[in-house]
Amino acid sequence: AQTIHQWPVAEIKAVGSPLSLGCTIKGKSSPNLYWYWQATGGTLQQLFYSITVGQVESVVQLNLSASRPKDDQFILSTEKLLLSHSGFYLCAWSLRLGGQQNTLYFGAGTRLSVL
Amino acid sequence: GQQVQQSPASLVLQEGENAELQCNFSTSLNSMQWFYQRPGGSLVSLFYNPSGTKHSGRLTSTTVIKERRSSLHISSSQTTDSGTYLCALEPGTGSNRLTFGKGTKFSLIP
Repeated sequence: AQTIHQWPVAEIKAVGSPLSLGCTIKGKSSPNLYWYWQATGGTLQQLFYSITVGQVESVVQLNLSASRPKDDQFILSTEKLLLSHSGFYLCAWSLRLGGQQNTLYFGAGTRLSVL
Repeated sequence: GQQVQQSPASLVLQEGENAELQCNFSTSLNSMQWFYQRPGGSLVSLFYNPSGTKHSGRLTSTTVIKERRSSLHISSSQTTDSGTYLCALEPGTGSNRLTFGKGTKFSLIP
């Protein structure tokens, strides 16, 4: 069975501090990986996606970056947090079917508060 | 303009009643996905529905491409159905980018 694990569960950080959020998928080889963000009371937005190791596409510019150092790992980071980065971050995976998206499976999410 | 419009924004029903949630879309569609968002925020996939009708227990999803709409029907609703339901459009352009609706917040009165 496939499992997706996100860490940390929650973070409280100061403006200007660095951030690193992680996501690991087990039990599925070479999945498509995604980062999503939801502001409090807002709509889910796709931030990044990756179809293979070392390759990441940016969808929305939020002064964040993402990397895929291993097939089963996706990292979201920034060197300087902004107040606007607060919200709920979700990692997701889907099957790789000729680049077309299939059903999305989400992690439990990380709730970030920037003060 | 908004590519996916979800309605109603909120819905309050008595336990046992049926619920109908709608998503209307304005762009080409490869598929509509429906999710349940738990109060803690995590999402559970309910349906991947490119067209037609799909069933899962008390849930039914219907996507009608010509009418640019997709619906989620919950029959005999239970208190455990409370939460937010989201639809997400997978565009027909071959893009990997899902566009989510704003969600329907569903509450049950026991």
